Amino acid sequence: SQQGEEDPQALSIQEGENATMNCSYKTSINNLQWYRQNSGRGLVHLILIRSNEREKHSGRLRVTLDTSKKSSSLLITASRAADTASYFCATDAPPMIYNQGGKLIFGQGTELSVKP
Amino acid sequence: EAGVAQSPRYKIIEKRQSVAFWCNPISGHATLYWYQQILGQGPKLLIQFQNNGVVDDSQLPKDRFSAERLKGVDSTLKIQPAKLEDSAVYLCASSLSPLRDRGPDTQYFGPGTRLTVL
Repeated sequence: SQQGEEDPQALSIQEGENATMNCSYKTSINNLQWYRQNSGRGLVHLILIRSNEREKHSGRLRVTLDTSKKSSSLLITASRAADTASYFCATDAPPMIYNQGGKLIFGQGTELSVKP
Repeated sequence: EAGVAQSPRYKIIEKRQSVAFWCNPISGHATLYWYQQILGQGPKLLIQFQNNGVVDDSQLPKDRFSAERLKGVDSTLKIQPAKLEDSAVYLCASSLSPLRDRGPDTQYFGPGTRLTVL
């Protein structure tokens, strides 16, 4: 079953506005990651936040994590038409086994449309 | 650095036929993943390899799906026979070499293979 649930499912904004997407999850995590997927393409990793972090920035991206509420948000500031894509949060499935890759569980995604 | 390569990009088959997908991960990446992404949903992990060994195949429908990574590099995913509900994008991803004390690895995704089963 999906671990993360994004909200809203779809978001339409004007260029220059900020876009906020939320993600909720059910079980404890080691880290939470956000990915972007352009239409018909693979996923691109955007940012990772560890369970002991509360906020992280990368360029126009700001991610927050509230482990008490089991939720995260992704803020894209000063959006551009090129930001139009689907955005997914993904949580790893604890415990992280030594010397093995993390198993990511993805949410349903938020479809962002930025109009010029 | 070359990314994750997948082929074919598109495949249309009829139900009960067989199909195979190929993935070439980023050079030096020990871990390889196959995901299934149904339209409107997030990717779901089917199988994870560490070098040529299977780490997790708990969500792989083993009655019809199989995957291998014989030399710890390229991988193939096969569906035999295909069902209508197998229509999806099949994504391959790879990551470097995860060690607990180094923390989580970033997964790099290929462009995917879009499968349509008629």
